Amino acid sequence: DTEVTQTPKHLVMGMTNKKSLKCEQHMGHRAMYWYKQKAKKPPELMFVYSYEKLSINESVPSRFSPECPNSSLLNLHLHALQPEDSALYLCASSQERGGWEQYFGPGTRLTVT
Amino acid sequence: QQQVKQSPQSLIVQKGGISIINCAYENTAFDYFPWYQQFPGKGPALLIAIRPDVSEKKEGRFTISFNKSAKQFSLHIMDSQPGDSATYFCAASINGGFKTIFGAGTRLFVKA
Repeated sequence: DTEVTQTPKHLVMGMTNKKSLKCEQHMGHRAMYWYKQKAKKPPELMFVYSYEKLSINESVPSRFSPECPNSSLLNLHLHALQPEDSALYLCASSQERGGWEQYFGPGTRLTVT
Repeated sequence: QQQVKQSPQSLIVQKGGISIINCAYENTAFDYFPWYQQFPGKGPALLIAIRPDVSEKKEGRFTISFNKSAKQFSLHIMDSQPGDSATYFCAASINGGFKTIFGAGTRLFVKA
């Protein structure tokens, strides 16, 4: 199974809401990633977790809070977002460091109103 | 130095033709160069990748050419098909593959 699943597929939230995005993989990968992709733009790395520990934070605003509760799950908690945060949020996974190939999920389309 | 420059922005090719997408980088610390294919509404999917110690890699109709001295690499799609119509991203990775920088993308349209 080479699938990364993400829920929900679509999310609309107000600027005062709190919501969470969920990502799951069952490939035994120990590295998981969050990317943000605006329309007609490339994915931009946000966070990297390795063995459930935060390894890379690309200076992402604190209104985005990642969490890796176990080796198969990755969450992204959202709070007090701005309309410019509307984007496709992609999750990916790979084997531990040196496992170059990243497998991407289909993404969550987020709209902030 | 962390940028990956990709061209062209868009490309129209006749069915059966060759599609060529070019990328360039500056940071010599990059040590893995993947190409991703993305269809509308989907996440990117790895198409083919190369390490800098190899000058060419071929998988089916897809070939990467890599020029380490020029810090350039390119994707060739032979016998392009309408089903190849998608956005293609070149990328470069460092830090054990953890940090991946994507090019701006090329929207390919293959005319039937």
